[in-house]
Amino acid sequence: SQTIHQWPATLVQPVGSPLSLECTVEGTSNPNLYWYRQAAGRGLQLLFYSVGIGQISSEVPQNLSASRPQDRQFILSSKKLLLSDSGFYLCAWRTSSDQETQYFGPGTRLLVL
Amino acid sequence: RKEVEQDPGPFNVPEGATVAFNCTYSNSASQSFFWYRQDCRKEPKLLMSVYSSGNEDGRFTAQLNRASQYISLLIRDSKLSDSATYLCVSRALSGGYNKLIFGAGTRLAVHP
Repeated sequence: SQTIHQWPATLVQPVGSPLSLECTVEGTSNPNLYWYRQAAGRGLQLLFYSVGIGQISSEVPQNLSASRPQDRQFILSSKKLLLSDSGFYLCAWRTSSDQETQYFGPGTRLLVL
Repeated sequence: RKEVEQDPGPFNVPEGATVAFNCTYSNSASQSFFWYRQDCRKEPKLLMSVYSSGNEDGRFTAQLNRASQYISLLIRDSKLSDSATYLCVSRALSGGYNKLIFGAGTRLAVHP
């Protein structure tokens, strides 16, 4: 069966520090991968998606970046965090053939102080 | 205007009550619709898809009205374990790929 992992689960970082969040998927090949952010009281905002290794599309301009160095690995990064980067970061995947269902990882709760 | 709008709640209901959530979407090109459930501090999980003819899954009934761009979720005989935030989601083709648009969610609290 397929599983999705994210780490760390919780992170407290100072403004201006770098960030690296990791997401890995097991039990499937060539998944479509997504990074979302959920701010308090708001809906999930799509940040990046990837259909394959090295292929990244960005949804919104921001100081975050994403990379997909391996088929089942998706990384979210920042060189300098802002206070507004605080939120709940969720990685999701779906098979390339199933347009309907996305499966979410457990998320990383980030607090920037 | 948000693409998917929901009443944030909270809806506080006793066990056994029937509760209905509403959702509207602005993109008439939206192709599919879903309800996700999100427990406190957890990831969203798919509850059910919403079909044009309406569909039922146990105590849960979902309805879609494309003319009014309106989606609903009805929960009958509420259980304590139904307490969660319910996210209304649409799927539309955008920029050449299928994109899920999430509402901010409606919070449900079922009490004894």
